[in-house]
Order: sequence, then structure tokens, then C-alpha cells
Amino acid sequence: AQSVSQHNHHVILSEAASLELGCNYSYGGTVNLFWYVQYPGQHLQLLLKYFSGDPLVKGIKGFEAEFIKSKFSFNLRKPSVQWSDTAEYFCAVKWSGYALNFGKGTSLLVTP
Amino acid sequence: GAGVSQSPRYKVAKRGQDVALRCDPISGHVSLFWYQQALGQGPEFLTYFQNEAQLDKSGLPSDRFFAERPEGSVSTLKIQRTQQEDSAVYLCASSLARYLPPYEQYFGPGTRLTVT
Repeated sequence: AQSVSQHNHHVILSEAASLELGCNYSYGGTVNLFWYVQYPGQHLQLLLKYFSGDPLVKGIKGFEAEFIKSKFSFNLRKPSVQWSDTAEYFCAVKWSGYALNFGKGTSLLVTP
Repeated sequence: GAGVSQSPRYKVAKRGQDVALRCDPISGHVSLFWYQQALGQGPEFLTYFQNEAQLDKSGLPSDRFFAERPEGSVSTLKIQRTQQEDSAVYLCASSLARYLPPYEQYFGPGTRLTVT
């Protein structure tokens, strides 16, 4: 079955630290890849997406992600986190069907 | 409003009751999705509509779950004879079209259902 794995369930960082959240997916042909973020009390919002072309994609708020096809990975990065980045982060994959397939999410807490 | 709206935001139901959850997608969005998010988990797909046609209902967990979108805009997810395992946040998402990129889905705030 197709699956999406996020390796870190809870991450705690100090402000200005660098962030990398892992996301791997099972093999399944052509994929579209997404990172969504859910800030406390808010709904899911798209952070960035990959469809084709340059495997390094840039999103909002200084986030970026790299698609490595050979590793079935789409890791999220940010060079320097801020307190306002405290949120739940979800990796999602769309295969040939209609739906987004989400990982279990990573809870990020950024301390001042 | 420009976003996806859902109502009610919170619903408490006694086991065995029927519930109806409403989703208002972004105006003009052809595709509409329902997801179920259990505590500590990522959203899981329930069903998909393209206009009024329900093209995929493979994620509905049982025949107690039923969804409709009769006029191709507002959608209702109905759960009959609710059980405790139905407790979750039910998310609705819409997108402009399935067959054109960027396939971006816009999510509503969700309805938190608690079955007691």
C-alpha cells in the first residue's frame, strides 16, 4: 500500500536554529508532493508544493524542500526558525488518484 | 468569505445519534474532498466529488457514512448511528480542478465531532 512517513513526531528547537523535517513515501510512480502547516487554532495551509522541474522548491516564510527521487524523499528545511514557526507540519503525497495521502505530522515547538 | 467554511465547528453526539456536517467550498471550485483526522494523526481521505458526481468513496469507513453534493457546491457528510470511533475532526477541502495543476487543495477549519 502507498504510504507517507514522517520520521520526527515532536521537534523542539531554539529560535535561530536550523530545521529539517523528514518525509519519505513508498514507491508508486509519478508523484506530486506537498507540505502543509497548521498553526495553533488555524486550518491547514499549503507551505509549498512540487510537481515537476527543479527539485528544490521554495515556499512561503522562508521554507524550502528538496525532492530526491532516488530516496523517495521530500524533506522540509528552514535555515533559521522563529517562534512563530511553532506549528504542526504535514507532508502529503498525491499519486495517480484524487486524494492527498498525509503523513502523521510533526509537531514543532520553537522556544525563545 | 474567500475560504472554505464548515459548520458546525464542534459537535457532540451521543452514541447512536445521526449527525450531518456541512461544507461550503470556495466559489467556483469543481473538486471537493472530505478527510477524517483522528487525534495525533494526519488527515485520511474519505471521499471526493467532481461537481455533483461522487467519483471516489473508497475511504468511507462504513456504510454508516454518506456524503452528497447535490448541486455541485455545498456538500454534506452524514454519519448514521454514530460510534465512539467516529470521534475525529472532519475536514473539507476544495480545489479548482482535478485535471489541471497545481491540484492545490484549500482546507476548511474542520468540524470536531465527539461521540459520547
